[in-house]
Amino acid sequence: QVQLVQSGAEVKKPGTSVKVSCKVSGHTLTELSMHWVRQSPGKGLEWMGGFNPEDGKTIYAQKFQGRVTMTEDTSTETAYMELSSLRSDETAVYYCATRRDILTGDWLDAFDIWGQGTMVTVSS
Amino acid sequence: DIQMTQSPSSVSASVGDRVTITCRASQGFSSWFAWYQQKPGKAPKLLIYRASSLQSGVPSRFSGSESGTDFTLTISSLQPEDFATYYCQQANSFPRGFSFGPGTTVDIK
Repeated sequence: QVQLVQSGAEVKKPGTSVKVSCKVSGHTLTELSMHWVRQSPGKGLEWMGGFNPEDGKTIYAQKFQGRVTMTEDTSTETAYMELSSLRSDETAVYYCATRRDILTGDWLDAFDIWGQGTMVTVSS
Repeated sequence: DIQMTQSPSSVSASVGDRVTITCRASQGFSSWFAWYQQKPGKAPKLLIYRASSLQSGVPSRFSGSESGTDFTLTISSLQPEDFATYYCQQANSFPRGFSFGPGTTVDIK
């Protein structure tokens, strides 16, 4: 059974950075195509970026380019998302999610397995 | 970027009702279209992928269809556990980027 377990809640000041982790169990990280999605309180879902198997590259949403870095540590089966220059309106729950259909092994253009979410509060 | 509109923004319905939610995307490639259900405090759950394929374990009362750039999620007979917010999602062609619709809340009438 594949599980994504994210790091705990964070409180950050505006202008600082946050690094959220997503640990994979039950599968190999490099075979999952990990992406990140955030959700501000009471708002909708916003895709931030992720690794695409089509070209083997990590792609970032234009809105976050230059401020976000997504990495993977294969030795610990953990993915990371670091967002810098935080603003107060970036208070949100940050999710990791995979494009792999675990049952079939297919690549989806959708997100099958999700982490539990990490609440990041940006406040002075 | 893909622009997504979703209607209605909210719907009040009763158990047993048929509920239809529509999403219009600026690009209409069905292979890259999906629907999710989200309950308060929980991560989204994938319901439908490739516009009409039911994800494993999802009840058959959920179905997806398409007509051009219009994509529809139908719940044939609403159950108590279906009261939630539903999001559509579209992928770009290349490189693969993703966009979500603004969401539709289904609540109890």
